[in-house]
Amino acid sequence: GQSLEQPSEVTAVEGAIVQINCTYQTSGFYGLSWYQQHDGGAPTFLSYNALDGLEETGRFSSFLSRSDSYGYLLLQELQMKDSASYFCAGLSDSNYQLIWGAGTKLIIKP
Amino acid sequence: DARVTQTPRHKVTEMGQEVTMRCQPILGHNTVFWYRQTMMQGLELLAYFRNRAPLDDSGMPKDRFSAEMPDATLATLKIQPSEPRDSAVYFCASGLGLGQSSYEQYFGPGTRLTVT
Repeated sequence: GQSLEQPSEVTAVEGAIVQINCTYQTSGFYGLSWYQQHDGGAPTFLSYNALDGLEETGRFSSFLSRSDSYGYLLLQELQMKDSASYFCAGLSDSNYQLIWGAGTKLIIKP
Repeated sequence: DARVTQTPRHKVTEMGQEVTMRCQPILGHNTVFWYRQTMMQGLELLAYFRNRAPLDDSGMPKDRFSAEMPDATLATLKIQPSEPRDSAVYFCASGLGLGQSSYEQYFGPGTRLTVT
């Protein structure tokens, strides 16, 4: 089946850079999405990579390598408000549904 | 500011009672998703509609759950009878999803359900 793996928790310091990795077990994806969810909130869309390479949106960047079945979300100049869970989700090429990773809780320390 | 709305935001009920959750997708969006989120299982897709037609409800316990879209502005998720293991946050999401454009979904604030 299709599955995505990401670390359960990552800790970083305010102002630093952090990378959240996502590996997937199948090539049956059109691309990889990233969502952010604050505690008690709803997931919100951050980015999508349909092609290999880096996509940059302000302080956030996302990368995809299909040959390595791997992607990551890069957050720069970390701010306390970036403390949240981050989900990678693969867009299935069989039914156009998102297959979700379990999420990575990002903890930011002052 | 278009957004997905869900009601109720919180629901506490006793085991065996019927629960109905409602969702108003963003106007013009043609796909609607129902998700359930728990600490143990993460985000699970329960049902999925396109142009009001159910496309996939394989993630939903059929004996007690039902999802419908009576019109383009309303999606419902019902649980009858409810059980304590149904306690979770239920999210509705909508999108313009047409094939490969389905990667961006807009989530409502969720309904936090507690079944005692």
